[in-house]
Amino acid sequence: AQSVTQLGSHVSVSEGALVLLRCNYSSSVPPYLFWYVQYPNQGLQLLLKYTSAATLVKGINDFEAEFKKSETSFDLTKPSAHMSDAAEYFCAVSDGGATNKLIFGTGTLLAVQP
Amino acid sequence: EPEVTQTPSHQVTQMGQEVILRCVPISNHLYFYWYRQILGQKVEFLVSFYNNEISEKSEIFDDQFSVERPDGSNFTLKIRSTKLEDSAMYFCASSGDRSNTEAFFGQGTRLTVV
Repeated sequence: AQSVTQLGSHVSVSEGALVLLRCNYSSSVPPYLFWYVQYPNQGLQLLLKYTSAATLVKGINDFEAEFKKSETSFDLTKPSAHMSDAAEYFCAVSDGGATNKLIFGTGTLLAVQP
Repeated sequence: EPEVTQTPSHQVTQMGQEVILRCVPISNHLYFYWYRQILGQKVEFLVSFYNNEISEKSEIFDDQFSVERPDGSNFTLKIRSTKLEDSAMYFCASSGDRSNTEAFFGQGTRLTVV
């Protein structure tokens, strides 16, 4: 069975500081990994995805994530936080199986301080 | 840009009543999903739908739940006899094919059972 663990339910950074959101996964097959963002009162928007190509994946709004198989991690980073990045971030895994369903982590709420 | 549309955005219903949550997936997509997010918890997979039938369902998706695609455009989730614990945000999603393309999510329907 697949699972996702996000370390830190709340992360607070200063504007301009590095954003680092951690995600560890468990999968018995090569995983497909995703980061989604949820702004207040909105749906889930895909930031980026890893589907077995390059291990460093670039997404929207200058976010990127690195797939590290040896550490079973897929951490999300952004060099410089903006106030508009304040949102909840979800890591998700899929096995690419018959239905391609997503298994989500519990989410990390990112606060950006001025 | 194409998007998944969900109606209503909010629904309040009395315990024991039936509710129907509606979704219009992206028009050329083939795979459809319902997920739910109980307040403060992770996003959970409920059911996937392909070729006019359920392709996978979670243990949450018991006999009180049903899905259908009545007219080739709408995708509905029916909860037959709502319980207090059904209160959650329900997300509809669709994807184009199984090759791990992005799942597009709707804005969600917040269901409150009183």
